[in-house]
Amino acid sequence: NAGVTQTPKFQVLKTGQSMTLQCAQDMNHNSMYWYRQDPGMGLRLIYYSASEGTTDKGEVPNGYNVSRLNKREFSLRLESAAPSQTSVYFCASRRAPAESYEQYFGPGTRLTVT
Amino acid sequence: AQKVTQAQTEISVVEKEDVTLDCVYETRDTTYYLFWYKQPPSGELVFLIRRNSFDEQNEISGRYSWNFQKSTSSFNFTITASQVVDSAVYFCALGIAAETSGSRLTFGEGTQLTVNP
Repeated sequence: NAGVTQTPKFQVLKTGQSMTLQCAQDMNHNSMYWYRQDPGMGLRLIYYSASEGTTDKGEVPNGYNVSRLNKREFSLRLESAAPSQTSVYFCASRRAPAESYEQYFGPGTRLTVT
Repeated sequence: AQKVTQAQTEISVVEKEDVTLDCVYETRDTTYYLFWYKQPPSGELVFLIRRNSFDEQNEISGRYSWNFQKSTSSFNFTITASQVVDSAVYFCALGIAAETSGSRLTFGEGTQLTVNP
């Protein structure tokens, strides 16, 4: 099994450009998450989808939108990229509904906005 | 609101030394879950352990051990006889068992561990 996959691995955007980060999991997990990782700040939750058909804002949702396309796929869209969105983005999934299950992470997407 | 504090930003040790990574958490929920993740230089996040708030039993897995103390809201991680391959950033995380939380995790800022040969 591939687990959680993310595309692309690297991306450079100019300010104002848009792009979509793709995430897919093959573990039949119900919940999916998008985090960003910045130096000295740990991981911060952008958006999450507790189950197929639902999405909710996390800690830092401004400038992003998400789509839970189906149970496997959860995409993150930057409509108008800004330099402050330069970061490493991680997608994660969790089995659910039990609260205790850990999240499994994808390999990350390193995004630079110039 | 939940908060996780990893006061040690960076730790440097010599191989075979023991090292403890500290984690202090804050939550008003009585049921919660604590996690440790490892992020090696390759960048992926690797799950290490989960601990439930109602189980304070310490755990040992090979050279790794975890000490959970509710009285001090701490969940510390010890590596015994450290090795160069242990060099990584280690994250402590907190999850609460609330219906509306989506079981999202709150992460600490991470501790960069460097094990020198």
